[in-house]
Amino acid sequence: GQQLNQSPQSMFIQEGEDVSMNCTSSSIFNTWLWYKQDPGEGPVLLIALYKAGELTSNGRLTAQFGITRKDSFLNISASIPSDVGIYFCAGLNTGTASKLTFGTGTRLQVTL
Amino acid sequence: KAGVTQTPRYLIKTRGQQVTLSCSPISGHRSVSWYQQTPGQGLQFLFEYFSETQRNKGNFPGRFSGRQFSNSRSEMNVSTLELGDSALYLCASSRDLGGGEKLFFGSGTQLSVL
Repeated sequence: GQQLNQSPQSMFIQEGEDVSMNCTSSSIFNTWLWYKQDPGEGPVLLIALYKAGELTSNGRLTAQFGITRKDSFLNISASIPSDVGIYFCAGLNTGTASKLTFGTGTRLQVTL
Repeated sequence: KAGVTQTPRYLIKTRGQQVTLSCSPISGHRSVSWYQQTPGQGLQFLFEYFSETQRNKGNFPGRFSGRQFSNSRSEMNVSTLELGDSALYLCASSRDLGGGEKLFFGSGTQLSVL
């Protein structure tokens, strides 16, 4: 099945650093979503983006919906240990109900 | 408010067997979706149920099936298990059909096929 390309695949950062990750697709999506998955848990929605060019924040998280509608970016500022986990982007199109197309994931590890 | 509940949490089966996984959505949610998560293929959409009817289906063989009951609870069944079916199976619920951006995921059922 299709997966969106996320980069980087994994990253080690120090507490307090800012983090950036991105997600690209070969096809257009009407909605971009970012999820975080902790070990042994299901994904939890962090941010939803509905309009090309949209920039949305949720606390220390900021995400952008790319102009081409084929990409999205997530930034985490001033990382803390609880930011550890796997971050997934997901694309959704109108009419496909709850059929999300997920990215390959970015594993984030934060060191003190 | 209780979240999405999936049972069992872990399951071990052997090739050729069949398995049934259960999902109880958040109270008031009428749509249930299922996803398969594997290290190689990532998170892949299986199907979505609403009002006891399958509304959307992913690209999985017919061995994968599901159903939804009148109380919105859902089950998925995998027949003639293969080694490649080993995965984390995630259930997600939303209040209405098409609520893709409003999905709440359960913790999943980890299936191991030996």
